[in-house]
Amino acid sequence: VQLVESGGGLIQPGGSLRLSCAASGFTVSHNYIIWVRKAPGKGLEWVTVINRGGNTYYADSVKGRFTISRDNYNNTVYLQMNSLRADDTAVYYCARGDNSYYAMDVWGQGTTVAVSS
Amino acid sequence: QSVLTQPPSVSGAPGQRVTISCTGSSSNIGAGYDIHWYQQLPRTAPKLLIYANTNRPSGVPDRFSGSKSGTSASLAITGLQAEDEADYYCQSYDSSLSGFVFGSGTKVTVL
Repeated sequence: VQLVESGGGLIQPGGSLRLSCAASGFTVSHNYIIWVRKAPGKGLEWVTVINRGGNTYYADSVKGRFTISRDNYNNTVYLQMNSLRADDTAVYYCARGDNSYYAMDVWGQGTTVAVSS
Repeated sequence: QSVLTQPPSVSGAPGQRVTISCTGSSSNIGAGYDIHWYQQLPRTAPKLLIYANTNRPSGVPDRFSGSKSGTSASLAITGLQAEDEADYYCQSYDSSLSGFVFGSGTKVTVL
């Protein structure tokens, strides 16, 4: 059971980036998949979640700018990030929410997004 | 400013017991939502340490224990070891925010 993120990089303010979270060993459509970020010097921050039914929810800090989606065929979840700002700079992790308690029981290694001119 | 409040740091000598508090409100912990705890070692991804308030995933030493009461929760580490030096986060769900919330994080230092 594994999650692998990719797609991070250096991007200018106002730009867009798409992160990928590829799952193996389980089916993403059978679980909640969550994105969490950690900015330099700060704590963990929940970003967004997609549940088994495909419903999506967002933190206020990214609502209207970020979109989470799921590709069941490729067993991958995406995070489309638009209108990026300096305060979006962080390591982005995807995690699986277990179906009983919604704890984040499997985490990816993280991908770094740096927003700077 | 985090919805769940934790002390910024705690420390203890090897072998000692330390506790980390996590204080919430009536829209998260006090509403009955489960608390989960994560350990983040330097330069690594977070790891689930305690789920549903008191339960340890397979492989987590029984030195780690969790509790919950009212609008607060606690993580206790007994028999502190050098390898326990890490950041610890509590996490729950908040009904007023309609989303998951994390604590502010606590750095544990082994003296």
